[in-house]
Amino acid sequence: DAGITQSPRHKVTETGTPVTLRCHQTENHRYMYWYRQDPGHGLRLIHYSYGVKDTDKGEVSDGYSVSRSKTEDFLLTLESATSSQTSVYFCAMRQGNTEAFFGQGTRLTVV
Amino acid sequence: GIQVEQSPPDLILQEGANSTLRCNFSDSVNNLQWFHQNPWGQLINLFYIPSWTKQNGRLSATTVATERYSLLYISSSQTTDSGVYFCAVESKVSGANNLFFGTGTRLTVIP
Repeated sequence: DAGITQSPRHKVTETGTPVTLRCHQTENHRYMYWYRQDPGHGLRLIHYSYGVKDTDKGEVSDGYSVSRSKTEDFLLTLESATSSQTSVYFCAMRQGNTEAFFGQGTRLTVV
Repeated sequence: GIQVEQSPPDLILQEGANSTLRCNFSDSVNNLQWFHQNPWGQLINLFYIPSWTKQNGRLSATTVATERYSLLYISSSQTTDSGVYFCAVESKVSGANNLFFGTGTRLTVIP
């Protein structure tokens, strides 16, 4: 295992509620990423981090925020969940210009 | 942003057959990675291959960066090869070593 875990693995939530997904790594990698995977779209980047408290938007960032207060933790928050945010969310890490390693994914359903 | 196209979108093989998956990208890249998503959803890094050719058992990959494509070869396919294969590229102009994914090739290997 590459030392990266996501929690929870599955979640069902109601429209309009805030949701936080957690990504935890034990490899001291600098870069961390949140992607969402939807049929027909592959993986699309939501937000990324290039260090503690250093984050930036990806291509589908609307409705999401992130925080990275420690190297090992990268949190993704859906400020007010909508049905369009039903998806599978993946966290990834890289040390630099190297291989990327992914967490197991979180299946989120917004009802 | 950079466009990543994979072909074919779907592929069905008899066990023991060989196959070639293709990844085209629209701009210069720093590196390219191939991933396998197994039927349980886990994303596994197969190759980190910015250029030339690499081999790992029955799998090999070639990237020709100057012509903006990469090929993934699977020989003597097995049922465990089933899943979705993604290529992901790091654009020379992207930030924080971000990876951009194609929409994948879904491979089904029949016994």
